Formats: sequence, structure tokens, C-alpha cells
Amino acid sequence: QKEVEQNSGPLSVPEGAIASLNCTYSDRGSQSFFWYRQYSGKSPELIMFIYSNGDKEDGRFTAQLNKASQYVSLLIRDSQPSDSATYLCAVTLSGAGSYQLTFGKGTKLSVIP
Amino acid sequence: GAVVSQHPSWVICKSGTSVKIECRSLDFQATTMFWYRQFPKQSLMLMATSNEGSKATYEQGVEKDKFLINHASLTLSTLTVTSAHPEDSSFYICSARDRGGGPRDTQYFGPGTRLTVL
Repeated sequence: QKEVEQNSGPLSVPEGAIASLNCTYSDRGSQSFFWYRQYSGKSPELIMFIYSNGDKEDGRFTAQLNKASQYVSLLIRDSQPSDSATYLCAVTLSGAGSYQLTFGKGTKLSVIP
Repeated sequence: GAVVSQHPSWVICKSGTSVKIECRSLDFQATTMFWYRQFPKQSLMLMATSNEGSKATYEQGVEKDKFLINHASLTLSTLTVTSAHPEDSSFYICSARDRGGGPRDTQYFGPGTRLTVL
């Protein structure tokens, strides 16, 4: 069973702090990695994608990928109350062909004003 | 760019009726669309993968005769829940993969359709 694991949280951080969200995956051949944000009652929206080992920064968000250790993380700097949501890690598995994503169960983030 | 719409955004129906949900990619062509279902406080569950002009591929445990999927064009896929029952009440979300490029494998999600079966 190919899996994507996330800590369900809730993760609570004070406003202005750095929120760190982690995700591990079991398929060593996984190729593409995504972070989606989902507000309650809404559909997921793409925050970042990463394909190569290392860091990728976009504004207050930094995605980190370590294929050897099979983990991907998302750092949110200067966290705001509006960042409070569930963050979904998603992975494209090797050999999927049809580009299916496998999602983790999500980490609920609460940013406390 | 990369906007996906869904219609309707919510629907209430009586048990035994059928409901059709439309998913459209508005500014790109999508050879592949996906249909997900999400129950409260649970993660997304992939129901089926829909490829333009061919039959959908259903995930294990999803009844293909109950959840009919038609991907008739590069911008439109439909999901029909036939003979709906209260246990089919859920949040149905589609996503589309951009055929024309952009970040590979990226799926863009529609806003979802909340189905309530009485």
C-alpha cells in the first residue's frame, strides 16, 4: 500500500511565528510533490509544488524535499490567522501514468492572534 | 489561469433520484479530470479518473453503474449519481490536469458540489 502520512494536528502557532508541516511518503519512486490548502467547507487550492531535492521558496512559503529520507515539508513564515486551514500533502506515484495524486489526511493548522 | 468550475455548487434531492454534476476547465484543455469525494473531517478520496473520449477508470469500491462519468470534451466532465441515497450525501470535488503544460502533474480543483440526499 503506497501511503502519504501527515500528522493530523491540530498544530497551533502564534501569529507571526513559523509553522512547520511535515509529510512522509512510502513510494521511493514518487516524482512530484504538492501542498494544497483547504479551508473548511471549501475545495483544495494549490500552494506549491516541488520536484527536486532541496528548498523552493514562494513568498512566505517554503517547500523542502528530501527524497533520500522520503519526506517533504512546508514552512510558513510570519503565520497569519488567515493561514488557519488544513494543509494537504499530495504525491504523484511512480508509474501512475494517469497522473493520479495520493493525498495525506491533512494537518490542521491554527494560527492564534 | 487554470480555473475549474463546478455546477451546481450545492444540490438537495430526494432519495432515488439522479443528480448530474458538471466540471469545466475554463481556460485550459484537460485531457484528464478526476472526481473525488470528501466526507466531513476526512481526506479526499479519489473516485475515478476520467480521460477525454474514453471510459473512466474507477477506484476499487466505487460502483461504476452508480457513479456515471462522461468526459465528452477537453473542457467538460460530468458525474451523475444515479438513484441517490442518503449515504451518497457528500462533498464532490473535481480536478483537472492541464494538457497544455505548466507544472507537470498539477491538478487544479473545482470549488466542489455539496450533495444532500433526503
